[in-house]
Amino acid sequence: KQEVTQIPAALSVPEGENLVLNCSFTDSAIYNLQWFRQDPGKGLTSLLLIQSSQREQTSGRLNASLDKSSGRSTLYIAASQPGDSATYLCAVTNDYKLSFGAGTTVTVRA
Amino acid sequence: GAVVSQHPSRVICKSGTSVKIECRSLDFQATTMFWYRQFPKKSLMLMATSNEGSKATYEQGVEKDKFLINHASLTLSTLTVTSAHPEDSSFYICSAIAILLAGGDEQFFGPGTRLTVL
Repeated sequence: KQEVTQIPAALSVPEGENLVLNCSFTDSAIYNLQWFRQDPGKGLTSLLLIQSSQREQTSGRLNASLDKSSGRSTLYIAASQPGDSATYLCAVTNDYKLSFGAGTTVTVRA
Repeated sequence: GAVVSQHPSRVICKSGTSVKIECRSLDFQATTMFWYRQFPKKSLMLMATSNEGSKATYEQGVEKDKFLINHASLTLSTLTVTSAHPEDSSFYICSAIAILLAGGDEQFFGPGTRLTVL
């Protein structure tokens, strides 16, 4: 059974600092890996999707890397802003099923 | 990107009643949809896979008679929580698989439904 772990569980940084969020998974036979953002009481917003054959994806200030062999992914958010405050979820796909981590709750202080 | 809607966004009901939640793919057809449940400050847990025209596949530990899933069309799946109890209170999120023009596929998520059972 796939297990997805996210560290840290919570993170508080001053505005402008770079953020580093970690995700690890136990079964490396994944189809893809996604990073999502979730605001309180809301659904999921997909941020980046990395196919199993890819090493990284970038979108604006966001960059996600994938090391499938070691079962790790890292999400980098450059020059954080208060609007980046949210919970960030990592999820991996095996056989069309997504397994989610518990998330990292980020607070960016103005 | 593809859009998935859920209705209602919030529902409060009395213990013992049944509640139906709808999940719609608005601009694409989805033969496969998924239902997730999320407890406060916890991860999303997959409840079941909903397949158009056939029975849903439930994950281990999920009561299929308690959580009835119907995927009657390529754009609609419904989750009915039967005889709801306070422990069924949760955030329910659906997703649908869309085939991408560039190749491959991706799951798109609905905005979620907050169920509170009194």
